[in-house]
Amino acid sequence: KAGVTQTPRYLIKTRGQQVTLSCSPISGHRSVSWYQQTPGQGLQFLFEYFSETQRNKGNFPGRFSGRQFSNSRSEMNVSTLELGDSALYLCASSLFPGRANYGYTFGSGTRLTVV
Amino acid sequence: QKEVEQNSGPLSVPEGAIASLNCTYSDRGSQSFFWYRQYSGKSPELIMSIYSNGDKEDGRFTAQLNKASQYVSLLIRDSQPSDSATYLCAVALDPTGNQFYFGTGTSLTVIP
Repeated sequence: KAGVTQTPRYLIKTRGQQVTLSCSPISGHRSVSWYQQTPGQGLQFLFEYFSETQRNKGNFPGRFSGRQFSNSRSEMNVSTLELGDSALYLCASSLFPGRANYGYTFGSGTRLTVV
Repeated sequence: QKEVEQNSGPLSVPEGAIASLNCTYSDRGSQSFFWYRQYSGKSPELIMSIYSNGDKEDGRFTAQLNKASQYVSLLIRDSQPSDSATYLCAVALDPTGNQFYFGTGTSLTVIP
């Protein structure tokens, strides 16, 4: 079955712009989480959605937001981009929320470069 | 103090040797532990999970958990060049998974 699909794979934006990233989870998976990965900080949790509701949120400014649709697809949005937002953004899906027992399946990520 | 600590490496081992990767965590009540492998330019993939003290083996991989000492390790036997990657340790602090943290990863190079 198809894995986690993230689009686009690469993005280049300028400071001050906004960006929307998309994630389609594995079929049947209803929980979607977003992570930011940078060389210095590693994987940082952004938020988790389940059944169209944000279940958890990490320590990121309000410029980072997300949503989930009824088909479990999720989008995240970053407004007023800063150079420090350059990172690999990873989406992960799991059958249920509560990753303790299941771990994650990650998508290929979106590489965002802010110039 | 970070919730999950890993030695960033790089760790180099010759082909055929045992690679040992270590991870420590700060919360004694942590519930579940995972190892992910991430090839350069790729996304992490889950390779092992462990929930109780002791060893868990899967092919050439063995995860070891010691809750009293708050560490979890990953052993890779008969290391192959294809094992060269960054290995991420992840810890769930509670059964709901609401507190789930990754280490920054250890880079492993297997030398042919």
